[in-house]
Amino acid sequence: AAGVIQSPRHLIKEKRETATLKCYPIPRHDTVYWYQQGPGQDPQFLISFYEKMQSDKGSIPDRFSAQQFSDYHSELNMSSLELGDSALYFCASSSQQGRELFFGEGSRLTVL
Amino acid sequence: GENVEQHPSTLSVQEGDSAVIKCTYSDSASNYFPWYKQELGKGPQLIIDIRSNVGEKKDQRIAVTLNKTAKHFSLHITETQPEDSAVYFCAARASGGGADGLTFGKGTHLIIQP
Repeated sequence: AAGVIQSPRHLIKEKRETATLKCYPIPRHDTVYWYQQGPGQDPQFLISFYEKMQSDKGSIPDRFSAQQFSDYHSELNMSSLELGDSALYFCASSSQQGRELFFGEGSRLTVL
Repeated sequence: GENVEQHPSTLSVQEGDSAVIKCTYSDSASNYFPWYKQELGKGPQLIIDIRSNVGEKKDQRIAVTLNKTAKHFSLHITETQPEDSAVYFCAARASGGGADGLTFGKGTHLIIQP
C-alpha cells in the first residue's frame, strides 16, 4: 500500500541558511501534519493542513512556514536555520473519515 | 492544551513475558488514543488505537485499555518477541474536529531480553 513520502531523507545545511522539506500524503488523504523530533525526544506537533487550509498550529517557530498545495502535497520551509533546528521532521497524513495518522519515514535535517 | 504522561521510560522484559506501558492524559475532551512503535531511524508506525466509546481493543498479541474516568490508557503486549524491541509512544487527540495534532507521551524504550 502507498505510504507517506517525504523528501529529501537527509539534508545538511549551514546556520542561517534555508531548507525546504516536501511531503506527499497517502492518496485520498486530505490532511497533512508536520512534526519535529529531536534526539531521544517525542514528536512535537508543528502545524497541520486540511483541504489546503491551515487547520491547527503547534510549536512552530516564526522562522518556519508551511503550505498545502492543490495536489495535497505539503512543503515545510525553514529559514534562518539554527543549530537547534537539527532534528527529524516527520510528515503524517490522514483522511477526515478515518482520522488515523500515518507517518512518513522522516527527513533528517542537520544544521552545522 | 493536552498533556500526556507515559511510564515507564524504559522497560526490559524477558522474551515471552508480557509488557505493559501506561499513559495518562489531561484533557477530558480527548477521544482518540493511538499507540505508535518507532524503530531507530524510522517513522512512527501506528500499531493500535482506541476511541473513547470503547474500553478495550485487542489485535493478536497487542491490546489497549482505556479508563475515561481516570483518564488513563495502557498498552499490553503478550508473548513478547525480539522484534518488539523499539520505542513506543502513546498519544491523545481532542475531538475538536479539523486537523488537530496528536500530543505524544515521552516514549517507552522497550527492550526484549533473549
